Amino acid sequence: DAGVIQSPRHEVTEMGQEVTLRCKPISGHDYLFWYRQTMMRGLELLIYFNNNVPIDDSGMPEDRFSAKMPNASFSTLKIQPSEPRDSAVYFCASSLRQGGATGYTFGSGTRLTVV
Amino acid sequence: GQQLNQSPQSMFIQEGEDVSMNCTSSSIFNTWLWYKQDPGEGPVLLIALYKAGELTSNGRLTAQFGITRKDSFLNISASIPSDVGIYFCAGPNTGGFKTIFGAGTRLFVKA
Repeated sequence: DAGVIQSPRHEVTEMGQEVTLRCKPISGHDYLFWYRQTMMRGLELLIYFNNNVPIDDSGMPEDRFSAKMPNASFSTLKIQPSEPRDSAVYFCASSLRQGGATGYTFGSGTRLTVV
Repeated sequence: GQQLNQSPQSMFIQEGEDVSMNCTSSSIFNTWLWYKQDPGEGPVLLIALYKAGELTSNGRLTAQFGITRKDSFLNISASIPSDVGIYFCAGPNTGGFKTIFGAGTRLFVKA
């Protein structure tokens, strides 16, 4: 298995532009998670899906953030409009179990810079 | 809410030295996980602990699940340059719905 695949690896955009991050989870994993990592706040869970359905989006910082999972093999995280404070590394992870007792598999992340 | 406190925040060591880091919480955890994040990559699971008192090894890494279930330790023996990275402890929250991550311990190894 190729693991969790994220694209793009790096994204630089201007403030106010729309940004879309993409993720392909590991085949057969029922849970998909979006995390944001910054120096100040560490790893923050933004939202997670179970069988393509959003279960908990309480970590989504603002209405500017939205996530979808149209099928078992694809998810997107969209920021519209983007702001400089959204600059961070965004990770997608997938797992067989909800609480991660067997661990999550993370993608390599998307480093977002909003200027 | 539940939190995991990792110490130290960072460590600067010489190649060949042993390393010890820990993770504590005011809450009980039933599972402890240790991840490593290489520069520019996502975290990778190193060791999972499921029972109080459990001691588990993975190569040069050894982790222990504290008896009180409120702490865990990770030791790295004979460090090498590729051990550089951020080490996170993590565990499922009380309801088991989310995984909580500590802030990480940054390890720097000088050759």
